[in-house]
Amino acid sequence: DTGVSQDPRHKITKRGQNVTFRCDPISEHNRLYWYRQTLGQGPEFLTYFQNEAQLEKSRLLSDRFSAERPKGSFSTLEIQRTEQGDSAMYLCASSLGLWDGPTGTDTQYFGPGTRLTVL
Amino acid sequence: GQQVMQIPQYQHVQEGEDFTTYCNSSTTLSNIQWYKQRPGGHPVFLIQLVKSGEVKKQKRLTFQFGEAKKNSSLHITATQTTDVGTYFCAGRGSGTYKYIFGTGTRLKVLA
Repeated sequence: DTGVSQDPRHKITKRGQNVTFRCDPISEHNRLYWYRQTLGQGPEFLTYFQNEAQLEKSRLLSDRFSAERPKGSFSTLEIQRTEQGDSAMYLCASSLGLWDGPTGTDTQYFGPGTRLTVL
Repeated sequence: GQQVMQIPQYQHVQEGEDFTTYCNSSTTLSNIQWYKQRPGGHPVFLIQLVKSGEVKKQKRLTFQFGEAKKNSSLHITATQTTDVGTYFCAGRGSGTYKYIFGTGTRLKVLA
C-alpha cells in the first residue's frame, strides 16, 4: 500500500496522559499537514511541514500540541496532558508540492486517521 | 481570521435529481479545493480551482470558482447512490500554506 498511513488507528487514554501519533506520508511527498476533525465538522488545520521544516502552525493550537518531522519523511504529533476536548479524529495528509500556480495542483492525500478518545 | 462557510449543511435528493453545494470565504483565496468524504472514511481530493471564474467538469460534476475568488460551487447532475457522502471545500489564502475547510454539505441520495 503506497498511501498515507497513520498509527495507531484508535487510541483511548485517560485525561492528563500524553499521547503520540505517527504519520507516514506517501514517499517523496515533501508537504505534510496535520488536521483535527470532530463529528459533523470539516478538518481543522493544525500544522504544516515542508520537508523537515514546520512552516505554519494554527494559532488555535495550544502549547500542549507539538509536531515534528525530523528527517522530512514520517511525522509525529504529540498531545501532552490530554483533555476531554481533545477527543477527535486526527488526520494527516501529504502532497507532492507541485504547486506552480495556474498549472499546478496541490492534491492532499489523506491517511485513515487516528481516532482519539480521552476519558 | 479566514472563515469558510458552506451551504446547505444537509441535502436529501431523489436519485436522478441535481445537487449543488455552495462555499463562501470571508477573504480572497489563492485557490480552492473540493473533497468528498464517505461515512467512516477520509477526505478524498476531487479537484482544484485557481483562476477567477474558472469552471471545471468531471463527468457529472461541475465546479466553479467565483470571479472575486471568494466563492465556489459544486454541482452534480443526475445524482446516483454512489454520490452519497459529505462534500467539503477547502480554501487557501495568499501568503499561507494553510487550507481552511468548510463545514461540509452532507448529501443523501434516495433510491
